[in-house]
Amino acid sequence: DTGVSQNPRHKITKRGQNVTFRCDPISEHNRLYWYRQTLGQGPEFLTYFQNEAQLEKSRLLSDRFSAERPKGSFSTLEIQRTEQGDSAMYLCASSPPGRSQETQYFGPGTRLLVL
Amino acid sequence: DQQVKQNSPSLSVQEGRISILNCDYTNSMFDYFLWYKKYPAEGPTFLISISSIKDKNEDGRFTVFLNKSAKHLSLHIVPSQPGDSAVYFCAAHGGTYKYIFGTGTRLKVLA
Repeated sequence: DTGVSQNPRHKITKRGQNVTFRCDPISEHNRLYWYRQTLGQGPEFLTYFQNEAQLEKSRLLSDRFSAERPKGSFSTLEIQRTEQGDSAMYLCASSPPGRSQETQYFGPGTRLLVL
Repeated sequence: DQQVKQNSPSLSVQEGRISILNCDYTNSMFDYFLWYKKYPAEGPTFLISISSIKDKNEDGRFTVFLNKSAKHLSLHIVPSQPGDSAVYFCAAHGGTYKYIFGTGTRLKVLA
């Protein structure tokens, strides 16, 4: 399967703990996006990487959130000192080089539950 | 501020009939629009897109219409099939790589 993969698929944690999610994009895609989706809402943009450079970051991404893509391939999203409000589906997407008008291909998501 | 709105949270259609899903947007800078389909426990899957220079794009059973003056787009599925039952999201962007998604419409196609 050469699609976008995300690990873990599910994560349950206690409030105050740190969690890290990983995204592996489609191999030739240099653009990578993180989104968050809560119940009854559409995906909300969090951040965007082009290769290893983080080019855009939403104000939704508070100080407790950090994302990296050190070698321009896989990416990690870390949430420090988790809060119950962080419970959501975290989606990763990638797109190929080219114009900004490119389809984004989504992974299956990581569902986070903060107790 | 919901820049992309899908005002119908759900829609039920008989198999073989037309499904019409609607989406409104407020930002006139948006120039590219997409529809995604999402099944439970999966990420959204790209369905069809349209650039603001067009008013219609067709791909098999799926057609997207764009009315720029009304800031409205719609997705038509003809004929609807039970496998089309899913949540449909419209998304838009304008010059950045940031896509803005609507809240989704759950389509149920009845056999």
